[in-house]
Amino acid sequence: GDSVTQTEGLVTLTEGLPVMLNCTYQTIYSNPFLFWYVQHLNESPRLLLKSFTDNKRTEHQGFHATLHKSSSSFHLQKSSAQLSDSALYYCALSAIMGYKLTFGTGTSLLVDP
Amino acid sequence: EAAVTQSPRNKVAVTGGKVTLSCNQTNNHNNMYWYRQDTGHGLRLIHYSYGAGSTEKGDIPDGYKASRPSQENFSLILELATPSQTSVYFCASGDPGQGKDTEVFFGKGTRLTVV
Repeated sequence: GDSVTQTEGLVTLTEGLPVMLNCTYQTIYSNPFLFWYVQHLNESPRLLLKSFTDNKRTEHQGFHATLHKSSSSFHLQKSSAQLSDSALYYCALSAIMGYKLTFGTGTSLLVDP
Repeated sequence: EAAVTQSPRNKVAVTGGKVTLSCNQTNNHNNMYWYRQDTGHGLRLIHYSYGAGSTEKGDIPDGYKASRPSQENFSLILELATPSQTSVYFCASGDPGQGKDTEVFFGKGTRLTVV
């Protein structure tokens, strides 16, 4: 079956430093959709980024990610972390938009002043 | 705006008791999903549905049943609740299909504690 791997359970960094959260995946789908969801404390997960195009950078709210099918990766990056970025981040994949999602275990990002 | 409403938001149940978690969506989406969220496991799919009358097993269906009586409503049923089912449960809806670009929307979650 499908699987998504997020190797970091917790990432702690200082405001202003760059962010990189890792995501790799395995899937039976030849053209999977990859997503990053963000969940702030006591809130529901909401979509941050999505992509299905190989080697194309997608950006939203200062975050960006590029789907690399050759390495089955979809890492999340931001050039400068803000305090408000502190949240739980999930990488997920699906066959198509709107279909069931397979999530990674999540990475908690804690940004200190 | 897409809306998925879960009830109750918090629930304490006794071991062996029956628990029903309800979900209503006003998005007119065909698909609905139930996930549970646990630290170290992320979000895991329990059951899902393609439309009224349809239920499908997800990745961790044991100990749970689901019911989809209408397009709008999707319930998760724990016939004999156990402490291991203590978790936060999220309902979601989505509308897959060729040419559609609709994301999956999540409800606010139900925190269930089984004592």
